[in-house]
Amino acid sequence: LAKTTQPISMDSYEGQEVNITCSHNNIATNDYITWYQQFPSQGPRFIIQGYKTKVTNEVASLFIPADRKSSTLSLPRVSLSDTAVYYCLVGDFSGGYNKLIFGAGTRLAVHP
Amino acid sequence: DAGITQSPRHKVTETGTPVTLRCHQTENHRYMYWYRQDPGHGLRLIHYSYGVKDTDKGEVSDGYSVSRSKTEDFLLTLESATSSQTSVYFCAIGPVTYEQYFGPGTRLTVT
Repeated sequence: LAKTTQPISMDSYEGQEVNITCSHNNIATNDYITWYQQFPSQGPRFIIQGYKTKVTNEVASLFIPADRKSSTLSLPRVSLSDTAVYYCLVGDFSGGYNKLIFGAGTRLAVHP
Repeated sequence: DAGITQSPRHKVTETGTPVTLRCHQTENHRYMYWYRQDPGHGLRLIHYSYGVKDTDKGEVSDGYSVSRSKTEDFLLTLESATSSQTSVYFCAIGPVTYEQYFGPGTRLTVT
C-alpha cells in the first residue's frame, strides 16, 4: 500500500472551511484514496473515496490533482462536532482483499 | 449505527484466562474485521473474514484466533490473555474492503 503523509494536527474555528492534505507520492495506478473520521471513544467512520478529480458527498469533498500524488479533504463550514482524527488511506481495493492501514491521522480541533 | 454490535463493551480479566469477544451484524455484509487500537499504534488489523468459515490473519494475529460460523457473527478469542492484550478492540463490517463500518468497541483490561 502507498505510504501516506498528513499533518499531525490542525486547528480551526467554527464556520470555517478546513482542508486537510495528504501526500502519497508513490501511489499506484490502481490505488484509490479513502478518508475516515474517528471521534473520541468511537470507531472510525468512512467519509469518502475517490480516484481522480473531485468527489463530493453530504459530508465532505475530496480533491485529487491530475498527478494523484496528493489529495485534499475539504470540510465546509466546520462545527465543534467535527473535532476528530482524520485518516487518509491509499490502496488498490479493486479486486480481492486489501487491508486498510490506518496511520496516525490528522487531529483536527475546532474551536468556538 | 450500520447494524453492528459488539459484546461485551467492557471487560476486565486476569492474565492467563480465555476471553471471547463477539461481533454481530444485521447488514449481511461479506467482510468482517477485528482491529485493536492502542495509544501510539493507531488501528491495527488482527484478523479478518471474507465469508463464512473464510478467515485470514492480519498484522498482529499472534495470540488471537477467530471464527465465523454464520454470516452475522465474528468471534475473536484470546486463548490465554496477557497484559499486552489490554486494548480497545473494534469490529468492522463492510460490503467491500475499502468501505468499513465500525462497531462501538470493546475495552479489554487484562490484569
